[in-house]
Amino acid sequence: RKEVEQDPGPFNVPEGATVAFNCTYSNSASQSFFWYRQDCRKEPKLLMSVYSSGNEDGRFTAQLNRASQYISLLIRDSKLSDSATYLCVVMDSSYKLIFGSGTRLLVRP
Amino acid sequence: DTEVTQTPKHLVMGMTNKKSLKCEQHMGHRAMYWYKQKAKKPPELMFVYSYEKLSINESVPSRFSPECPNSSLLNLHLHALQPEDSALYLCASSTSQGGDEQYFGPGTRLTVT
Repeated sequence: RKEVEQDPGPFNVPEGATVAFNCTYSNSASQSFFWYRQDCRKEPKLLMSVYSSGNEDGRFTAQLNRASQYISLLIRDSKLSDSATYLCVVMDSSYKLIFGSGTRLLVRP
Repeated sequence: DTEVTQTPKHLVMGMTNKKSLKCEQHMGHRAMYWYKQKAKKPPELMFVYSYEKLSINESVPSRFSPECPNSSLLNLHLHALQPEDSALYLCASSTSQGGDEQYFGPGTRLTVT
């Protein structure tokens, strides 16, 4: 079983749609949680950290459920510029980042 | 400013060449990282430096040799690489090792011929 699992997609949605990505992780001792986005042939860019209380940044909302070892990302009012691969990232007890394989999002006009 | 810079952007090298990748950050971060990313795969950790000392080596072959000359700079020396080492090499930094967000540089796209 992979340490961090994500649906690879692609999710193909129209502009303005709401889309949700899910991620599960296997190590209950994981320390911190993040969502990164990566555009084709570019570096990963930090989108947001994920806290147990949930957090929101504009159109983006992240949730963490430690009991179920589950992380989610909700994007509201999708824009064309949101098209990218979204990486679920977990920090393990050795302070190493463990990346999911990514979920590809395509937002169409 | 969350900027990590990397040079060169692209590098083509033969299997007998020696080259170096460079990474720089001026955010006062004390942890720096090297990752390797193959196409359509997530980044894989190679090395971690914490306070200029090598903290983690993920069993990387010795043909990759990291160096941290000071708190702002991180190098990756390459020697006798194989074609399968062709990949995007990403540098990242964070305020400290653990518990903090990592910020990535734009990467060096390496092709070994």
